[in-house]
Amino acid sequence: SQQGEEDPQALSIQEGENATMNCSYKTSINNLQWYRQNSGRGLVHLILIRSNEREKHSGRLRVTLDTSKKSSSLLITASRAADTASYFCATDDTGGFKTIFGAGTRLFVKA
Amino acid sequence: DVKVTQSSRYLVKRTGEKVFLECVQDMDHENMFWYRQDPGLGLRLIYFSYDVKMKEKGDIPEGYSVSREKKERFSLILESASTNQTSMYLCASKRPGAHEQYFGPGTRLTVT
Repeated sequence: SQQGEEDPQALSIQEGENATMNCSYKTSINNLQWYRQNSGRGLVHLILIRSNEREKHSGRLRVTLDTSKKSSSLLITASRAADTASYFCATDDTGGFKTIFGAGTRLFVKA
Repeated sequence: DVKVTQSSRYLVKRTGEKVFLECVQDMDHENMFWYRQDPGLGLRLIYFSYDVKMKEKGDIPEGYSVSREKKERFSLILESASTNQTSMYLCASKRPGAHEQYFGPGTRLTVT
């Protein structure tokens, strides 16, 4: 079963615009992660936010977490064509061994 | 530079064949994972291993087996390939207690 579900499924924007992707999850979490996947490649870890954090920044990335709504958002500011990729949220199960990934948001940034 | 490598980027096999997918990591990670990725379904965990010779079933282990004889190598085996196993297969590794997983480039397997 999917823990994280991203919204929207696909997003197309112009270069320079901001891109916002949302993730909802079902159960309590200790942390939430975001990954990026370029077409036909493996996933790359972007950022982790802990359950006691509300917002975290890394370069052009801003992640928020609302544990009361069981949701997170990933904002990419001043997008570039190179940001074109799929973005996944992920949460760890209670045992900590397994990570559960959502279905992802496909972002297309037009130059 | 950390690295996870997979033996093939593309593979085409016939129904009924035994298929081996190899994954090697150079980070001395104890934990290794095999996922399959299908459109609209995200990543689904097939098997994982938290140490040499240890393995645990993930969410969709049916039709697959794994082998972990050495710390750096985690193999996924399709005992008798079927067309519904056509998919992208991703291997990953991480340190125990860490959250960040390091992924290989993936193997796109087509079973005809």
